[in-house]
Amino acid sequence: DTEVTQTPKHLVMGMTNKKSLKCEQHMGHRAMYWYKQKAKKPPELMFVYSYEKLSINESVPSRFSPECPNSSLLNLHLHALQPEDSALYLCASSQILASNTGELFFGEGSRLTVL
Amino acid sequence: DQQVKQNSPSLSVQEGRISILNCDYTNSMFDYFLWYKKYPAEGPTFLISISSIKDKNEDGRFTVFLNKSAKHLSLHIVPSQPGDSAVYFCAALRAAGNKLTFGGGTRVLVKP
Repeated sequence: DTEVTQTPKHLVMGMTNKKSLKCEQHMGHRAMYWYKQKAKKPPELMFVYSYEKLSINESVPSRFSPECPNSSLLNLHLHALQPEDSALYLCASSQILASNTGELFFGEGSRLTVL
Repeated sequence: DQQVKQNSPSLSVQEGRISILNCDYTNSMFDYFLWYKKYPAEGPTFLISISSIKDKNEDGRFTVFLNKSAKHLSLHIVPSQPGDSAVYFCAALRAAGNKLTFGGGTRVLVKP
């Protein structure tokens, strides 16, 4: 199984809503990531979890709250978002130490629209 | 500060010919360089990578060249096929922290 599964694929929420994005992998990877991608822009790193602990937070606003309940799951909790937060949110996983490829495996993304 | 740059936003090439995508970087501490391919509404898919201690890596139709002195890498696709039409992202990885930084992307169109 070389898949990273993200749910939901599409999410529409109001600015006062609380929602969550979910990500799952069963490749035994101990590093998991959240990236944000706006239209016609490259993916931008938000968070990195290593061994279920937050190791990198790229100065992301607190209205985005990541959680890694176990080595296979990664969540992104959303609260009081702004319309400019509308984007494709990508989850990825990898081995902890870069392998001979340095490869990250990406999910298909969750398309978020904030009204 | 954009550490990884792809200066060509788009590239059009005839089927069967070579596609050459270029990427420049500024940080000499990167350990690996990778190329990802992305279709609309999908996550990036890994294509090929190269360690910072090598100058060439080949996988089928895809070859990546690294010139460390120039802080430049390129991806060659030969022969190009219509299915190669996508956005290609150059990315650089620092093993410490597992931080992958993407370039701006190059949209490739392969014409039949």
